[in-house]
Amino acid sequence: EDQVTQSPEALRLQEGESSSLNCSYTVSGLRGLFWYRQDPGKGPEFLFTLYSAGEEKEKERLKATLTKKESFLHITAPKPEDSATYLCAVRILGFQKLVFGTGTRLLVSP
Amino acid sequence: DAGVIQSPRHEVTEMGQEVTLRCKLISGHNSLFWYRQTMMRGLELLIYFNNNVPIDDSGMPEDRFSAKMPNASFSTLKIQPSEPRDSAVYFCASSPIPQNTEAFFGQGTRLTVV
Repeated sequence: EDQVTQSPEALRLQEGESSSLNCSYTVSGLRGLFWYRQDPGKGPEFLFTLYSAGEEKEKERLKATLTKKESFLHITAPKPEDSATYLCAVRILGFQKLVFGTGTRLLVSP
Repeated sequence: DAGVIQSPRHEVTEMGQEVTLRCKLISGHNSLFWYRQTMMRGLELLIYFNNNVPIDDSGMPEDRFSAKMPNASFSTLKIQPSEPRDSAVYFCASSPIPQNTEAFFGQGTRLTVV
C-alpha cells in the first residue's frame, strides 16, 4: 500500500536553530513529491515539487531534497514566521491525486 | 486570479440536516479535488474530477456524501444527512492537467455538526 510518513510530528526550535523535517514514502511509482506549508485556519500553500532522486530546490530559508525513499525539508536559521505545519505529498504513477502525510508542526520561538 | 474560492468558510448545522459546500476552481484548471482534514487522519482525498468527470471517488466515506461538477469552474460537495463525525475542515484544490503540477488549495470550510 502507498504510504507517506512524516517525522517528527512536532518540532520546537529557537530562532536561528537549523533543523530538518523528514518525509519517507513507500509508493509503487513516484511522479512527484510536493511540500506544502499550512498556517492555522488556512489551506495548504505550495512550496516545492521534486521529481527525481538527487534533486534539490531552495526558497529563502528552506531547502528540499529527495532520495529514492525520502525527502528532507531543511530549515536554515529559522524565524518565528516560519512556524507552521509542513505537509508532504506524493503523486503516484498513473494517478492524478496527491497522497498526503500527516504533517510536522513547527514552532520557532524568538 | 483570486485562487480557489470556497464557501461558506464556516458552517454549523444540526445532525440530520443537509450541508452543501461550494468550490470555484482557478480559471484554466480542469482537475478538481475534494479533501477532508481532521486532527486524527490528516488530509484525506474524498473524490477528484478531471474535465468535470469523477475519476476516483473511493475516498467518499458513505452514500451520504455526493459531489458534482455542474460546469468546468464550479463544484459542490453535499452531505445528507449530516452526522457529528462529519465535523472537519473540507478543502477543495484545483490543478491543470495533464501536466504533473502542484494542486492549489482553497481556504477550506470548517464544518461543525452538532
